[in-house]
Amino acid sequence: QQPVQSPQAVILREGEDAVINCSSSKALYSVHWYRQKHGEAPVFLMILLKGGEQMRHEKISASFNEKKQQSSLYLTASQLSYSGTYFCGTAPDKAAGNKLTFGGGTRVLVKP
Amino acid sequence: DGGITQSPKYLFRKEGQNVTLSCEQNLNHDAMYWYRQDPGQGLRLIYYSQIVNDFQKGDIAEGYSVSREKKESFPLTVTSAQKNPTAFYLCASSFQGLGQPQHFGDGTRLSIL
Repeated sequence: QQPVQSPQAVILREGEDAVINCSSSKALYSVHWYRQKHGEAPVFLMILLKGGEQMRHEKISASFNEKKQQSSLYLTASQLSYSGTYFCGTAPDKAAGNKLTFGGGTRVLVKP
Repeated sequence: DGGITQSPKYLFRKEGQNVTLSCEQNLNHDAMYWYRQDPGQGLRLIYYSQIVNDFQKGDIAEGYSVSREKKESFPLTVTSAQKNPTAFYLCASSFQGLGQPQHFGDGTRLSIL
């Protein structure tokens, strides 16, 4: 079953912060985060594994709450280059390996 | 430079026609994937392959077929049985094992004539 991302869209001013959530009805073992610019390929940001540490990519960080079956992506002091659609991809257990189910995406627009 | 190459960038299909989308990688990755993306939506897995000469159906495999005869190549055929093929198709690859990021090609946009 597809993970649910929220919000569906967010508009920020440069320098503002935002949080994107990725929630699953199943247990989560790993969560991948990707960013896609319009008409381009998704680009890998980070992976979180069950029991692992919080990860960072530049000023973007993410956390993994096993009890809530949710991962959150934190955009801190947003830059214009952060605009794009963010997708989470999830795997429910070790056996799934890298076979991911992706959420519907969160569109982020950072304005000057 | 290592990467994933998808071709063509744009493809048009006539009714009743099969078309094949190419995906080649030189990253020495074991696993390869095909996704379909519809406007404003997420990625849906069509097929994936973890090793040469083996592949598994994803969530929306009906109307599609694949082959994996070489490690570097994972072509996708959109058959005439796929009644709504208009979409953006993305190929990805990764190393085997947990926690390996997927690297994506630039995609092929398929439209019906």
